[in-house]
This record gives sequence, C-alpha cells and structure tokens, in this order.
Amino acid sequence: NAGVTQTPKFQVLKTGQSMTLQCAQDMNHNSMYWYRQDPGMGLRLIYYSASEGTTDKGEVPNGYNVSRLNKREFSLRLESAAPSQTSVYFCAEGENTEAFFGQGTRLTVV
Amino acid sequence: QKEVEQDPGPLSVPEGAIVSLNCTYSNSAFQYFMWYRQYSRKGPELLMYTYSSGNKEDGRFTAQVDKSSKYISLFIRDSQPSDSATYLCAILNAGGTSYGKLTFGQGTILTVHP
Repeated sequence: NAGVTQTPKFQVLKTGQSMTLQCAQDMNHNSMYWYRQDPGMGLRLIYYSASEGTTDKGEVPNGYNVSRLNKREFSLRLESAAPSQTSVYFCAEGENTEAFFGQGTRLTVV
Repeated sequence: QKEVEQDPGPLSVPEGAIVSLNCTYSNSAFQYFMWYRQYSRKGPELLMYTYSSGNKEDGRFTAQVDKSSKYISLFIRDSQPSDSATYLCAILNAGGTSYGKLTFGQGTILTVHP
C-alpha cells in the first residue's frame, strides 16, 4: 500500500467522543476517498474529494465530516462517535483508473 | 437501489477450478470497471480494469464487461490456494457531476482449497 499513510491504526472511543482520522498521500494524485468496511457490506464510500478544495458525499456520510487540507491530506472527523460507527476505515487516493489504499484504521466505539 | 451489486458468496472451490465472480451496476454513465483483491487485514489492491464492453485478459484472470446489460464479471482459471481472498468489483465515474467517485460492490469471499 505504498504512498498512503493512515493514522491511527487502532482506536477505541467512548460514545459521544470525537476524533479525527488522518490520511496523507505522497503520490501527488488528485482524488482521495474515505471508506468504511463492515462484514458483508463491502467498502462503502463516506466522502470523496476529486481535487484539492472539493469534497462530495458518498453513500454513508451521516455522522462524518471531512477536510481536504491540501493535495496531500484528507481527514475524516467523527464529531460524536456512536457504536454504529464501529468499523474499519480505509483512506484511498488515486488518479484515473487505479486507487491505492492505506492499511486501515480499526475503530471501536463502546 | 445500490449503485453496484455483487454476489456476496462466499465461494469455496477446489484447486484448479474456474471461478466466476459477478456484479451489476445501475448508472450507465460509469466508464471504468475494476476488480480489486483484498487479503485479510489488508487494504484492497487493483487486479485489473476495463474500459467499455468486452474482455480483458491478464494471465489466469479475465475481466468481462457487458454495458448493454450493466453486468461485469471476473473469471479465474486454474484457481490456486493463493487466490483465496475477498474480490471486490468497483466502478469509477469518469465524467459528469460525480466525476472521480469510486463505488464498490459488497465483495465476494473466495476460498480455494488444495
């Protein structure tokens, strides 16, 4: 998964806490994505950013906010975590026909 | 209706079998069709992509797109235990108001047993 760095790798939150998942890429690509992956649900798109300065909602944006800080960085924020947000979160970046994924963040909300 | 629907499986086949994985999609504006492979506790990695209808072959893997029926397939010949993974179809919107949106199917867990 060269070029995409996600932090943290693991996190446990209490219900109602907030946190920001960080993602940075070093491949100078325009598009960046945040997905969540749950058993049997595949990768569901939360938000994406086709270029610096733009963000768009995906399939499951409720409860999340994003910020495309610059071309390299795309962060995902949970303002008030809920148990339903327990999942594995993947950041990805890409250009044209290929997306590169980070290693994922395993988030548990108790 | 989900934009991309994938047969969830799981699939369990003997080594050497031919595997067929399938997806349907709803938006005719989609232009790039991809297959990703994901090993346990890893991020997905691109296997192959196709553009427009037709077949594309890469070794033991063949990707097929039928835009008239909005159907995409991945065939694996002579399957190996190392092919055991989750396979995800994906569609990239390469134009219009959703330019850059990359949507995945639910994924199919494949196990190839010796």
